[in-house]
Amino acid sequence: DAGVIQSPRHEVTEMGQEVTLRCKPISGHNSLFWYRQTMMRGLELLIYFNNNVPIDDSGMPEDRFSAKMPNASFSTLKIQPSEPRDSAVYFCASSLRGGPGGEQFFGPGTRLTVL
Amino acid sequence: AQTVTQSQPEMSVQEAETVTLSCTYDTSESDYYLFWYKQPPSRQMILVIRQEAYKQQNATENRFSVNFQKAAKSFSLKISDSQLGDAAMYFCAYRSPGNTPLVFGKGTRLSVIA
Repeated sequence: DAGVIQSPRHEVTEMGQEVTLRCKPISGHNSLFWYRQTMMRGLELLIYFNNNVPIDDSGMPEDRFSAKMPNASFSTLKIQPSEPRDSAVYFCASSLRGGPGGEQFFGPGTRLTVL
Repeated sequence: AQTVTQSQPEMSVQEAETVTLSCTYDTSESDYYLFWYKQPPSRQMILVIRQEAYKQQNATENRFSVNFQKAAKSFSLKISDSQLGDAAMYFCAYRSPGNTPLVFGKGTRLSVIA
């Protein structure tokens, strides 16, 4: 398996622009998580899905952020409009309910820079 | 809500020596999972070791082992025979049963001195 795939790996954009981050989970996994990593706040959950249904989006900072999972093999995280404080590394992770040890598998992350 | 605390922002160890990274957590649950993840400069999150709370035996993975003290809510990571490649950020994480999110500590940056 190719593991969790995220694109793009790096994104540089200007304030006010729309940004879309993409994630393909491991085939067969039924949970998908979006995390954000910053120096100030560390690793924090933004939103997660079980069986393509959003379960908890309380970590989404504001209405500028939205996430979708139209099918089991694809998810997007959109920021519109982007702001410099959104600069961070965004991770997608997936897991299998009942999988051994409760492990989550992480993608390589997307480093977002908003100028 | 569960919380995870890593009280050592930075640690250093001489190559071939042993180092222990500390982690404590707070929960009212009796069943859960604990993890240590390694994040090298490549920023990839790599699972180092996991522990199921119902297991009394401490997990080991080659040079990595944990000291799990359930009553004290403590979960430390011991790295034996430290290698230069062990230099990274290490995150302690907690997960409730089911497909639930990870709760991370702030991390410990480990340096390995040749």
